[in-house]
Amino acid sequence: NAGVMQNPRHLVRRRGQEARLRCSPMKGHSHVYWYRQLPEEGLKFMVYLQKENIIDESGMPKERFSAEFPKEGPSILRIQQVVRGDSAAYFCASSHVNTEAFFGQGTRLTVV
Amino acid sequence: AQKVTQAQTEISVVEKEDVTLDCVYETRDTTYYLFWYKQPPSGELVFLIRRNSFDEQNEISGRYSWNFQKSTSSFNFTITASQVVDSAVYFCALSEANNAGNMLTFGGGTRLMVKP
Repeated sequence: NAGVMQNPRHLVRRRGQEARLRCSPMKGHSHVYWYRQLPEEGLKFMVYLQKENIIDESGMPKERFSAEFPKEGPSILRIQQVVRGDSAAYFCASSHVNTEAFFGQGTRLTVV
Repeated sequence: AQKVTQAQTEISVVEKEDVTLDCVYETRDTTYYLFWYKQPPSGELVFLIRRNSFDEQNEISGRYSWNFQKSTSSFNFTITASQVVDSAVYFCALSEANNAGNMLTFGGGTRLMVKP
């Protein structure tokens, strides 16, 4: 859905660098979700955020990954010291409370 | 734990054929949501439907229809008179009804190829 904006669409990082993925939710949406789609695998939930709060991060890898959704500005998914296994499509979705979520077009991260 | 199984990894049909994509789910929750999303070759995820577990009415939207059967834990998706533009990967998903209902557990997806 064009309303959820993710950038960049494609990101190339060398091993050991940091990757920052941005997500601007649809207007009026206060709930943001991040998902990861690894090659040849399905989509996996990573983290659920509301403004300034992490509600559920049960799907986030314990190390190197963090997410935030500040009061102002987009939600950020940050991956430190990237490794080849982090190469994937990262999708952000947003919703109102208890309504369906709409996804952005994704960010394709390639680690070389 | 929740689980969604899409047993058909790939389906190929000829244009104008009807096709049904199967989805079977497991959950211990009494209240939950079921979803279908479409991922065309361009890669984005397109929302198709969300269904509450209390609503077992079948739904029709144009050439798309959904059959929710709680007794068999299935939420199948049928495309009538398929078209080449329907070629995509289709994901079935499940979520608990709390936490805004959008922490989704996805199935592995079914790749549908519609040939002219």
